[in-house]
Amino acid sequence: GESVGLHLPTLSVQEGDNSIINCAYSNSASDYFIWYKQESGKGPQFIIDIRSNMDKRQGQRVTVLLNKTVKHLSLQIAATQPGDSAVYFCAEQGAAGNKLTFGGGTRVLVKP
Amino acid sequence: GAGVSQSPSNKVTEKGKDVELRCDPISGHTALYWYRQSLGQGLEFLIYFQGNSAPDKSGLPSDRFSAERTGGSVSTLTIQRTQQEDSAVYLCASSLGGSLQGETQYFGPGTRLLVL
Repeated sequence: GESVGLHLPTLSVQEGDNSIINCAYSNSASDYFIWYKQESGKGPQFIIDIRSNMDKRQGQRVTVLLNKTVKHLSLQIAATQPGDSAVYFCAEQGAAGNKLTFGGGTRVLVKP
Repeated sequence: GAGVSQSPSNKVTEKGKDVELRCDPISGHTALYWYRQSLGQGLEFLIYFQGNSAPDKSGLPSDRFSAERTGGSVSTLTIQRTQQEDSAVYLCASSLGGSLQGETQYFGPGTRLLVL
């Protein structure tokens, strides 16, 4: 399925370079954060998560950074590959209730 | 292993008709969520089921929308008297459930609904 679409921020990156995607969240009570990747025609796919008691978490080629002071989340993708082209969403989850609140999404285009 | 499945993958209907969308969560997951992804609106929460507890319906946009979950597994989202603004991708997600803290939600491929 499409994401936000026409007015989606786009990050264009050269294959092999690192990508940084940023997200601002609004709820200071949120204590769990997730990055999802969505390819065209598919549902969001889990990439990495982080809890509010951490400020950094690393996965395979991905790193999530959390700055609670300014309510900012970022996703770093190392050595970006063509398969990384997709829309990336951050999502936050508050302490009460389990629904996710999603950011607007960023489209990443990897140039060969 | 099997993920979240949804059916149909695409649905075209006429304004005023009722539609039913189906979600099969991951086996063993007790929590199930419905979200809607509209062009220009992003992903928005609709409804959440956890075990036998009363569902959280706080995200349903109108009383034309309802959902049920039978036997703690399969869920059906029903939209009555569909309107053109209901056109969107309807996504279902599931998680293990029972945690007081956040836990990963796994999404299905979605049902793309077009109301003519």
